Amino acid sequence: NAGVTQTPKFRILKIGQSMTLQCTQDMNHNYMYWYRQDPGMGLKLIYYSVGAGITDKGEVPNGYNVSRSTTEDFPLRLELAAPSQTSVYFCASSSSVQPQHFGDGTRLSIL
Amino acid sequence: GQQLNQSPQSMFIQEGEDVSMNCTSSSIFNTWLWYKQDPGEGPVLLIALYKAGELTSNGRLTAQFGITRKDSFLNISASIPSDVGIYFCAGQLPWGGATNKLIFGTGTLLAVQP
Repeated sequence: NAGVTQTPKFRILKIGQSMTLQCTQDMNHNYMYWYRQDPGMGLKLIYYSVGAGITDKGEVPNGYNVSRSTTEDFPLRLELAAPSQTSVYFCASSSSVQPQHFGDGTRLSIL
Repeated sequence: GQQLNQSPQSMFIQEGEDVSMNCTSSSIFNTWLWYKQDPGEGPVLLIALYKAGELTSNGRLTAQFGITRKDSFLNISASIPSDVGIYFCAGQLPWGGATNKLIFGTGTLLAVQP
């Protein structure tokens, strides 16, 4: 009963490096989302997707890119890591009849 | 960016006490959700509300969707130590189309002393 799976769980990057945060769901949900959560704050939407091949910007998309080639996977790409991107990243998925379910997060530090 | 006003920011209570927290917004929502986040984990859905005035329970938790569609509250009765965590409200905008996009509150940190 995996639900939403995120990898890696932790990562430290140097400024300017790039990386991809992986997210996969096994619930056949059409909708997928990426959020970031800064200390003491709620979740801010980075990007979302309503289905394979369709993505759109959320509230804080700058510095990130996404793709959705399959229903299951929704990777988030950081091209040039900056200290302001130090955060906890959560992936979520939902359907038209089910609310959003979240993964356990990726804790990213950029030094 | 749009954000819900969630209060209180934090609560420190004794085991057995009842807890109440709420969210308000200037926007109308067609769905209210309440999530709990334990340290080091992702938010877990507690209760979903889909209709104005709806009152829904999940064990010791009770939540209501405000009549104006601009607010919601969550009550926890007879708190226990495992209730510790951060509670988030989230509202789904009616003009969000088929995206199910949510707006999240800033969270209420609950600490329960045995």
